[in-house]
Amino acid sequence: DTGVSQDPRHKITKRGQNVTFRCDPISEHNRLYWYRQTLGQGPEFLTYFQNEAQLEKSRLLSDRFSAERPKGSFSTLEIQRTEQGDSAMYLCASSRGEGNQPQHFGDGTRLSIL
Amino acid sequence: GENVGLHLPTLSVQEGDNSIINCAYSNSASDYFIWYKQESGKGPQFIIDIRSNMDKRQGQRVTVLLNKTVKHLSLQIAATQPGDSAVYFCAETITGFQKLVFGTGTRLLVSP
Repeated sequence: DTGVSQDPRHKITKRGQNVTFRCDPISEHNRLYWYRQTLGQGPEFLTYFQNEAQLEKSRLLSDRFSAERPKGSFSTLEIQRTEQGDSAMYLCASSRGEGNQPQHFGDGTRLSIL
Repeated sequence: GENVGLHLPTLSVQEGDNSIINCAYSNSASDYFIWYKQESGKGPQFIIDIRSNMDKRQGQRVTVLLNKTVKHLSLQIAATQPGDSAVYFCAETITGFQKLVFGTGTRLLVSP
């Protein structure tokens, strides 16, 4: 059983650069979520997709952030004009679409802004 | 992720002891709760979930208790092993809303 896969695992970039992360959910899961986690904190919700539709976005998701799930399978999260405060672990999760289902997380992409 | 658990409450136990990790959740409307285990450098790993129409649920070596009156969750781990050392998070949500809200987290340290 293949879990949630995220790529890259680590990304180091200079302030002002654009970065893009990819998430491949568990294959039969039609819900996909992005979270951000900083040191010593629990994950914070960013956005959620049901199939290809982005249904909810957090206020944490500024205009510099955009997420897509064009075919209802993998998803990308892009951050434009990165800032120091964007340094965090970006986690992707997926779940089945019926009722309350546990979200299963990938191992994240750790972003470091120089 | 890496260095998860800086400045978190810590529970230290001996191998073989039973562990109890507590969580106070924030929203009285929350009706679905999940416990996650997070090891350094990894994402949260699902342990067990419980719906608000239950007050107890058991898994393999783990039991979750829910007290809606005082908005409290606990995770009991039986016969704790060194491999159980990690940060544990409770998360809550409301049916129909997909956002999970995570608690502060507790670091569990198990000594051989």
